[in-house]
Amino acid sequence: RKEVEQDPGPFNVPEGATVAFNCTYSNSASQSFFWYRQDCRKEPKLLMSVYSSGNEDGRFTAQLNRASQYISLLIRDSKLSDSATYLCVVKPSGGYNKLIFGAGTRLAVHP
Amino acid sequence: DGGITQSPKYLFRKEGQNVTLSCEQNLNHDAMYWYRQDPGQGLRLIYYSQIVNDFQKGDIAEGYSVSREKKESFPLTVTSAQKNPTAFYLCASSKGGSGRADTQYFGPGTRLTVL
Repeated sequence: RKEVEQDPGPFNVPEGATVAFNCTYSNSASQSFFWYRQDCRKEPKLLMSVYSSGNEDGRFTAQLNRASQYISLLIRDSKLSDSATYLCVVKPSGGYNKLIFGAGTRLAVHP
Repeated sequence: DGGITQSPKYLFRKEGQNVTLSCEQNLNHDAMYWYRQDPGQGLRLIYYSQIVNDFQKGDIAEGYSVSREKKESFPLTVTSAQKNPTAFYLCASSKGGSGRADTQYFGPGTRLTVL
């Protein structure tokens, strides 16, 4: 079983739609969680950290469910510019700053 | 501008050759990392360095080597022992320190193709 699993998609949605991605992780002791965005053939960039209480940044909302070991990302009012691959990232507890990356979920927003 | 630079952007290598990928950062970060990305897979950690003159193997270090002689620089050598080196290589850096994760910032990457 992969340490971090994501639906690869693609999710094809029209502009203005609301779309949600889930990600599951296997290590119950994981302590930090993130969503990164990666455009085609570019480097990943931090989109947002995910806090236990949930957090929102504009049209983006991230939530963490520790009991079920999953993380979600909700995008409201999708824009064409949101088209990208979204990487779920988990930091296991302890030690150095090791991050475990999911393979990503691809989002395509169309006019 | 502060950031991470990688060079070259594209690199072609013949089988049996060693190649070195450059990574430089001017963010004054202590920690640096090398990952490789293959289609349909998550990033995998090759090597990391938490401080100058120290580095540790990641999950897939075989066939690779690194050095960390300067805080700003963390070059990666892909040796002929690496059996499947064609991939997208990403360098990252972070402030460093253990405990809660500090954000990793990525360079633009190097696409290596073995001919």
